Amino acid sequence: GDSVTQMEGPVTLSEEAFLTINCTYTATGYPSLFWYVQYPGEGLQLLLKATKADDKGSNKGFEATYRKETTSFHLEKGSVQVSDSAVYFCALSDRGNQFYFGTGTSLTVIP
Amino acid sequence: GAVVSQHPSWVICKSGTSVKIECRSLDFQATTMFWYRQFPKQSLMLMATSNEGSKATYEQGVEKDKFLINHASLTLSTLTVTSAHPEDSSFYICSASRGEGYTFGSGTRLTVV
Repeated sequence: GDSVTQMEGPVTLSEEAFLTINCTYTATGYPSLFWYVQYPGEGLQLLLKATKADDKGSNKGFEATYRKETTSFHLEKGSVQVSDSAVYFCALSDRGNQFYFGTGTSLTVIP
Repeated sequence: GAVVSQHPSWVICKSGTSVKIECRSLDFQATTMFWYRQFPKQSLMLMATSNEGSKATYEQGVEKDKFLINHASLTLSTLTVTSAHPEDSSFYICSASRGEGYTFGSGTRLTVV
């Protein structure tokens, strides 16, 4: 079945450091891929998405490229800020409209 | 656009009582709504999928008599946790779909004491 494997955390970075959170997926079809962010005490917010191979999703300085050949959708940001501290979830959605989430990666950015 | 309102955002209840959580799509009609549960430091697990006017489809291992889901209209789905116990304490999140897009509610933190 479909699944998402996400880099385990927690991750602690200094402000302005480079961020990579790895995500790989398994799917029988051609899913859409997403990154969601959950700030403390809040629900999920869509950060970015990509719907087909080679698409790049981007938002708020974060980027992720849909790589079909490596079945990956790694999240990157060139310079993190304290306000980026949150839990990040990689997810896929198949044609059945069901989401499969990774286990989440907690990011803490220290000044 | 595409706003989903979830209420309440947090609730504390006594063991043995029931709690209802509402999920509303404010500016679109949601043909399908999903209910997820999130345990501390874990990912979201799909509990059930509900389509307007029909019975919800529960994931394996989810007690449908304990977690009652009603999707009475295209803009409202409710999750009722019946006879709640401390192990039901969790973060519950709904998601509404209007075809291609999905929007999540802000979640409800349930604490059963």
